[in-house]
Amino acid sequence: DTGVSQDPRHKITKRGQNVTFRCDPISEHNRLYWYRQTLGQGPEFLTYFQNEAQLEKSRLLSDRFSAERPKGSFSTLEIQRTEQGDSAMYLCASSQGAAALVTEAFFGQGTRLTVV
Amino acid sequence: QQQVKQSPQSLIVQKGGISIINCAYENTAFDYFPWYQQFPGKGPALLIAIRPDVSEKKEGRFTISFNKSAKQFSLHIMDSQPGDSATYFCAATVNTGFQKLVFGTGTRLLVSP
Repeated sequence: DTGVSQDPRHKITKRGQNVTFRCDPISEHNRLYWYRQTLGQGPEFLTYFQNEAQLEKSRLLSDRFSAERPKGSFSTLEIQRTEQGDSAMYLCASSQGAAALVTEAFFGQGTRLTVV
Repeated sequence: QQQVKQSPQSLIVQKGGISIINCAYENTAFDYFPWYQQFPGKGPALLIAIRPDVSEKKEGRFTISFNKSAKQFSLHIMDSQPGDSATYFCAATVNTGFQKLVFGTGTRLLVSP
């Protein structure tokens, strides 16, 4: 296993189009996170899955955004009716943990979205 | 109160010098403080992390100093090398069982040969 994998690496789309990104976490990691990083800023938390359950969503995740993690393996993040403000790097991370234990989160290389 | 303030925004250090990056927070519920290193086009990678029950943690050339009363923590990179040139982010999280990390704005470090 070579780490967290994200696809595509780059996506250019026209405003108003829908886009979907995929994240394959490190196998056996039960926790999966999505973050968004704009230029010159630190990543911002979007959402968290424990196995297949989406347990936390940021207010940054408007109703145009939806994330899924069927079967607790890979995850998808869909943005509907994209806007120029959605242009950012979308990062996926995964970790393995139980109960209230905070464990290291490993990040993927991200999907850079450009909305034109 | 959820912010983590990071300084400086950019830093130039000569090879062999010490790089120092500072962060401050307000939320006293934060109890896990990692530092991430990010190279262009890559995702952040965990460098070193500390919990507030210790004042210092050292791993190789990297040291975190933590001042709980001042709500500040810093990263020291000893014997800085050109390969350390990257963007560094401090972060913090509340131990609710998952990594809802709050990141600083980043410091772009350039180590000159």
